[in-house]
Amino acid sequence: QVQLLESGGGVVQPGGSLRLSCATSGFMFSTYGMHWVRQAPGKGLEWVAFIRSDGSNNFYGDSVKGRFTISRDNSNNTLYLQMNGLRAEDTAVYYCAKNLVGGGTTGSWFDPWGQGTLVIVSS
Amino acid sequence: EIVLTQSPATLSLSPGERATLSCRASQSVYHYLAWYQQKPDQAPRLLIYDASNRATGIPARFSGSGFGTDFTLTISSLEPEDFAVYYCQQRTNWPFTFGPGTKVDIK
Repeated sequence: QVQLLESGGGVVQPGGSLRLSCATSGFMFSTYGMHWVRQAPGKGLEWVAFIRSDGSNNFYGDSVKGRFTISRDNSNNTLYLQMNGLRAEDTAVYYCAKNLVGGGTTGSWFDPWGQGTLVIVSS
Repeated sequence: EIVLTQSPATLSLSPGERATLSCRASQSVYHYLAWYQQKPDQAPRLLIYDASNRATGIPARFSGSGFGTDFTLTISSLEPEDFAVYYCQQRTNWPFTFGPGTKVDIK
């Protein structure tokens, strides 16, 4: 059974940094691309970042480009999101999600999703 | 960036009724469109991918159709557990984008 468990959320001041983690199990992590998707309180979904299975290529949403970095540790089956220069508008629940399709493919559909971790950017 | 528009914003129906949700793209996404269901305080769940393929474990009452810029999610007969928010999403171009969602609530 595929499991994704995010952690690392919390309250941070504007301009601060936070590192999210997504611990995975139940599938061959090293063969799947992975995503981060966020949802501001009471709002819709926003795709944040994608990383290929081998970490060779990353893509970012325009609102986080240059501030957030997605990475992975295939030896520990864990996905990360390093968030720097945080702003109030980054306040959201952050979900990690697995690519539906494995292998060396580029971004695919999000399936399944973790339960999310809440990031609040406030002074 | 490809913009997805969903209509209606809210759909009020009774259990047993048919639900028809629409998603329109600002440019062709070919068949690269998915639908997700999100219930309160839960993570989204993939329902339909590549416009018309049901994800694993999704009941047959959910179906998707469309190509290019116009897509439809149909729930043939609403069950109590189907009242939720539904999002469409495209993966034709980066950045991947979502529609604003359609809330299906109980009439």
